[in-house]
Amino acid sequence: LAKTTQPISMDSYEGQEVNITCSHNNIATNDYITWYQQFPSQGPRFIIQGYKTKVTNEVASLFIPADRKSSTLSLPRVSLSDTAVYYCLVGFSGGYNKLIFGAGTRLAVHP
Amino acid sequence: DAGITQSPRHKVTETGTPVTLRCHQTENHRYMYWYRQDPGHGLRLIHYSYGVKDTDKGEVSDGYSVSRSKTEDFLLTLESATSSQTSVYFCAISDTRDSAPSSYNEQFFGPGTRLTVL
Repeated sequence: LAKTTQPISMDSYEGQEVNITCSHNNIATNDYITWYQQFPSQGPRFIIQGYKTKVTNEVASLFIPADRKSSTLSLPRVSLSDTAVYYCLVGFSGGYNKLIFGAGTRLAVHP
Repeated sequence: DAGITQSPRHKVTETGTPVTLRCHQTENHRYMYWYRQDPGHGLRLIHYSYGVKDTDKGEVSDGYSVSRSKTEDFLLTLESATSSQTSVYFCAISDTRDSAPSSYNEQFFGPGTRLTVL
């Protein structure tokens, strides 16, 4: 079964840049890559989405290489409030029932 | 925040009893989803709906059924709850975007329902 793979956890310190990579070897031609953030006792929240190359918004950047088999979420200058679980979501072979969330990366930001 | 509510927010029930979780949206979005979240598994899709009375199975649909009789409501039913269905259940909604392929939609999640089956 096609799936995404992310690191289970990461640690960082305030002010540093954090990069979280997601592997998705079976991504389909028309699939987008989306990243979500989740705080405890809340539902996930959309961060950023991309199809290829680089996408940047006010909170993050998303880097996607030409083969699209992986993607990297970049959080610039993290703060304590960025401590959360981060999920990448990729659709496989079209169809909503093929949308696969990764197991998530638990990011801990330390003072 | 997107107008999504889930009820109940917490429920404790016994093995073998039926359970229905409700998701209600005020955004008039076409698509609705039910996920379960368990430690080590992230979010797994149970069922989704692409319109009134139009539903399909997700990755972990066994033991669950859904119904959508109105755009705003999506019900998840556990016909006979088991301990393995103890989980946190999230509802999500999304809508189409003219500029994006149909396989992609940004999803907005509800606050979740914590279900414990004893």
